[in-house]
Amino acid sequence: GQNIDQPTEMTATEGAIVQINCTYQTSGFNGLFWYQQHAGEAPTFLSYNVLDGLEEKGRFSSFLSRSKGYSYLLLKELQMKDSASYLCAVRAHQTGANNLFFGTGTRLTVIP
Amino acid sequence: DAEITQSPRHKITETGRQVTLACHQTWNHNNMFWYRQDLGHGLRLIHYSYGVQDTNKGEVSDGYSVSRSNTEDLPLTLESAASSQTSVYFCASSSGREITDTQYFGPGTRLTVL
Repeated sequence: GQNIDQPTEMTATEGAIVQINCTYQTSGFNGLFWYQQHAGEAPTFLSYNVLDGLEEKGRFSSFLSRSKGYSYLLLKELQMKDSASYLCAVRAHQTGANNLFFGTGTRLTVIP
Repeated sequence: DAEITQSPRHKITETGRQVTLACHQTWNHNNMFWYRQDLGHGLRLIHYSYGVQDTNKGEVSDGYSVSRSNTEDLPLTLESAASSQTSVYFCASSSGREITDTQYFGPGTRLTVL
């Protein structure tokens, strides 16, 4: 089975930087995704890591360490619209399939 | 523009009734997925398909079925709805032809079983 852990809630101030951590235990690891989900809406793709290191995309960056089973999503210059849930998902190759397994999500609240 | 749609967006039904949720994508993606999202559980995979006539069970498939007769559609059927199936249901698709193979999600269907 999969075990994916991330904090339930976080609060940060507008303009600041926040780091959302995700730890995982899985067999057949084949990539890690971060999605953003605003309340009442669909998850939308943010980032993908399959190799160790940092991937930067504008204000958002994602880091992966496969040996530690650890990833983080870094959000810089926080804006009010960044208030949302952030979902960590591990893709694992098991029994002939290559599917995503999601953590329970981290609800981020950005305050003025 | 290519998209993925779900219908209905909201549904209220009674215990024991059969319910079908529709999912339609115009990206010509090979792979399609159904998830349910509940508080405290995150997104859980119900069924998935890697192509026409291919269907597979996911983590929480009991009480659900799917069929894939064409590339665009993967309807999800609840054979006999139960209150435990009250949830938000998301359909997703991915190309199946890329290394990243990102899944893109539909807007969701909120199902209430009374």
